[in-house]
Amino acid sequence: GNSVTQMEGPVTLSEEAFLTINCTYTATGYPSLFWYVQYPGEGLQLLLKATKADDKGSNKGFEATYRKETTSFHLEKGSVQVSDSAVYFCALSDQGYGNKLVFGAGTILRVKS
Amino acid sequence: NAGVTQTPKFQVLKTGQSMTLQCAQDMNHNSMYWYRQDPGMGLRLIYYSASEGTTDKGEVPNGYNVSRLNKREFSLRLESAAPSQTSVYFCASSLGQGGGNTIYFGEGSWLTVV
Repeated sequence: GNSVTQMEGPVTLSEEAFLTINCTYTATGYPSLFWYVQYPGEGLQLLLKATKADDKGSNKGFEATYRKETTSFHLEKGSVQVSDSAVYFCALSDQGYGNKLVFGAGTILRVKS
Repeated sequence: NAGVTQTPKFQVLKTGQSMTLQCAQDMNHNSMYWYRQDPGMGLRLIYYSASEGTTDKGEVPNGYNVSRLNKREFSLRLESAAPSQTSVYFCASSLGQGGGNTIYFGEGSWLTVV
């Protein structure tokens, strides 16, 4: 079945450091890939998405490239801020599975000033 | 700018009690979902409704029932709550079922079963 594996956290960085959160997936079809962010006490918000191979999703300085050959969708940001502290979820939806999202376990990011 | 609204936000139940989580969306979306979030496990789909009048089981449906009351509303019912159902519950919606459709989430309902 479909699954998503993302790096365990928590990840602790200093402000302005470079961020990478790894995400790999297993899917039977041609999934769309997503990164969601959850700030403390809130629901999930879509951060970015990519719907086909080699697409790059970007938003708020975050980027992720859909790599079919490595089945990966790593999240990157060049310079993190304290306000980026949150839980980040990688997810996929498979056309053959309707639009139901399959989530990774989530990675906690803590940014220190 | 409400989006997806779910109630209640917090609830404590005793084992064996029943309750219903309510969800409404104002985006004219066709599809709605209920997920639960547990530490270290991400979100798991409980039930979904692809369109008004249809509901289907997700990954973890046992112990739950749902009702798609109309296009806007999708409720989740726990008939006899168990401690294993202590979790954070999220309602979500999307315009359609295609893989590229963005899913929008509510703010969550924290449920504790003692």
